[in-house]
Amino acid sequence: DAKTTQPPSMDCAEGRAANLPCNHSTISGNEYVYWYRQIHSQGPQYIIHGLKNNETNEMASLIITEDRKSSTLILPHATLRDTAVYYCIVRSYGGSQGNLIFGKGTKLSVKP
Amino acid sequence: DGGITQSPKYLFRKEGQNVTLSCEQNLNHDAMYWYRQDPGQGLRLIYYSQIVNDFQKGDIAEGYSVSREKKESFPLTVTSAQKNPTAFYLCASSPSGASYEKLFFGSGTQLSVL
Repeated sequence: DAKTTQPPSMDCAEGRAANLPCNHSTISGNEYVYWYRQIHSQGPQYIIHGLKNNETNEMASLIITEDRKSSTLILPHATLRDTAVYYCIVRSYGGSQGNLIFGKGTKLSVKP
Repeated sequence: DGGITQSPKYLFRKEGQNVTLSCEQNLNHDAMYWYRQDPGQGLRLIYYSQIVNDFQKGDIAEGYSVSREKKESFPLTVTSAQKNPTAFYLCASSPSGASYEKLFFGSGTQLSVL
């Protein structure tokens, strides 16, 4: 089973910030939070990841709560090309070393 | 260009037939993965490999087989034992398989049963 919980869908107006929440209440101390997105019929694209500090790159920002039980991916100025399914993933490192456990993700629709 | 190449883009399988999906990477990555995606669902891990000549079963390995004879290649065979093979198959790689590394994905193969 996936270790994360995300809303199934969200809408966002073009040019506005898109804030995508993720709950990972059972995360353990050595597990990272990763975000990927998938445009229809393509391979997932890496966006950002973090352990406990907030992170920012050219695509997005990742805000992780102090207790690490939830996080938010922020796309600061959403465009129509950001319409995709966004996956919040906890990276396990144990019996199945290094694999990503994917849930169903959030389908983000950016509207004009 | 560096990356992961999956072929073919579309593949059709007849009843009782084995088919092999190709995955090649020129990123010099040690770890490679195969995922299956059904419509409207997330990805599920089939097999992964962290080194040549070694691989491990994922969550849904039944009906599939893999080999890792070369670092750059990780082919997936969908055998006749896989009764519901229609799905989108994704190959990925990462430098060593450590938990802090990001995965690089190919563009996928859509497999359908005739």
